[in-house]
Amino acid sequence: GEQVEQLPSSLIVQEGASVLINCSYTDSASVYFPWYKQEPGKRLQFIIDIRSNMERKQTQRLTLLFDKKTKHLSLHITATQPGDSAIYFCSASMRWSGTYQRFGTGTKLQVVP
Amino acid sequence: EAAVTQSPRSKVAVTGGKVTLSCHQTNNHDYMYWYRQDTGHGLRLIHYSYVADSTEKGDIPDGYKASRPSQENFSLILELASLSQTAVYFCASSDGDWVYEQYFGPGTRLTVL
Repeated sequence: GEQVEQLPSSLIVQEGASVLINCSYTDSASVYFPWYKQEPGKRLQFIIDIRSNMERKQTQRLTLLFDKKTKHLSLHITATQPGDSAIYFCSASMRWSGTYQRFGTGTKLQVVP
Repeated sequence: EAAVTQSPRSKVAVTGGKVTLSCHQTNNHDYMYWYRQDTGHGLRLIHYSYVADSTEKGDIPDGYKASRPSQENFSLILELASLSQTAVYFCASSDGDWVYEQYFGPGTRLTVL
């Protein structure tokens, strides 16, 4: 079945820095890739998504890049703030997987002042 | 206004006991999901449902049952709780199937002793 990997598993950056979170998947049938953010003790919250017919999507300080050939995504966060501290999850949905998304193991981001 | 709520928010159960986790959504979504989250792992799907009175197995259904008595309510049932089922459980809903983002509940921390 589909496997979703994320790297790094954790990182610490200073406020104002940019970060890059990488995600790779295995099944070329995956077509939809939503990302979620989980702040400490809180629910997962959708932040951005991309479909396989796109290469790039941007919203505010988030840029999501998608490479269909290498089965790779990267989430770029600019001008980080302490409120960005959270676990970020990549997920992938296949065209014929039924009705669910498979999640990566998460990247824990800590933004320090 | 939280659209996906879960109860209880935390629970301690004894091995072999029965546990019922409840989820309620006011999003008017057809799809609902139950996930478990373990330290160092992403979310893993247990059961899901796309219509009332029907449930489907996810990736790790063993030891769990699900019930969807109405569009708004989705329960997860552990008939014989085991130590290995200690985890945080998240409910989610989505407007459609795999090409839509999911909306998550706040989670239930279950400890089985």
